Amino acid sequence: NAGVMQNPRHLVRRRGQEARLRCSPMKGHSHVYWYRQLPEEGLKFMVYLQKENIIDESGMPKERFSAEFPKEGPSILRIQQVVRGDSAAYFCASSPQQGGETQYFGPGTRLLVL
Amino acid sequence: KNEVEQSPQNLTAQEGEFITINCSYSVGISALHWLQQHPGGGIVSLFMLSSGKKKHGRLIATINIQEKHSSLHITASHPRDSAVYICAVSRANFGNEKLTFGTGTRLTIIP
Repeated sequence: NAGVMQNPRHLVRRRGQEARLRCSPMKGHSHVYWYRQLPEEGLKFMVYLQKENIIDESGMPKERFSAEFPKEGPSILRIQQVVRGDSAAYFCASSPQQGGETQYFGPGTRLLVL
Repeated sequence: KNEVEQSPQNLTAQEGEFITINCSYSVGISALHWLQQHPGGGIVSLFMLSSGKKKHGRLIATINIQEKHSSLHITASHPRDSAVYICAVSRANFGNEKLTFGTGTRLTIIP
């Protein structure tokens, strides 16, 4: 059973470009959480999704950021018109449908905005 | 004030020493999590607990719900235990168990 997969592992973008981060949850997991770790800071919640639904996006900036978890395929975190302050490690975590379970983290995507 | 506070922020110890990392939280929770972040950046979930004590190998986690406090202990520490240890809490809300994190404790074990 493969773990949570994220790609790309490293992503370099110039200011103003778009960044697309992908997360494939563990098999059988239908809950996906995205977290961001800014340089020298702790992890912060961004968004919680279930298949085809955004459940909680209270931690996600209102502008330029969006997330989806389609019926088929990975969850996508999309950042439009990136700025230097978006440089961070973005982690996704998945958990089973029934909840109350450990979250399993992916290896993260390190985004660097030049 | 952060909802989750960890101490110490940094800890350096000799190989073999008994290690304790503390976590205090100020909100009602459904579970407390201990995570390990390796120097390469990957995050591993060590424990999820809502009461009592759990043990896995040389790692022990305890929680006191009344005092809103948890500790992570490492016995017979080894240089490979060097990592950042992160305490996080979840407050289940209709299945939403998003985590709120402490700032982490950077542990360095010297051979």
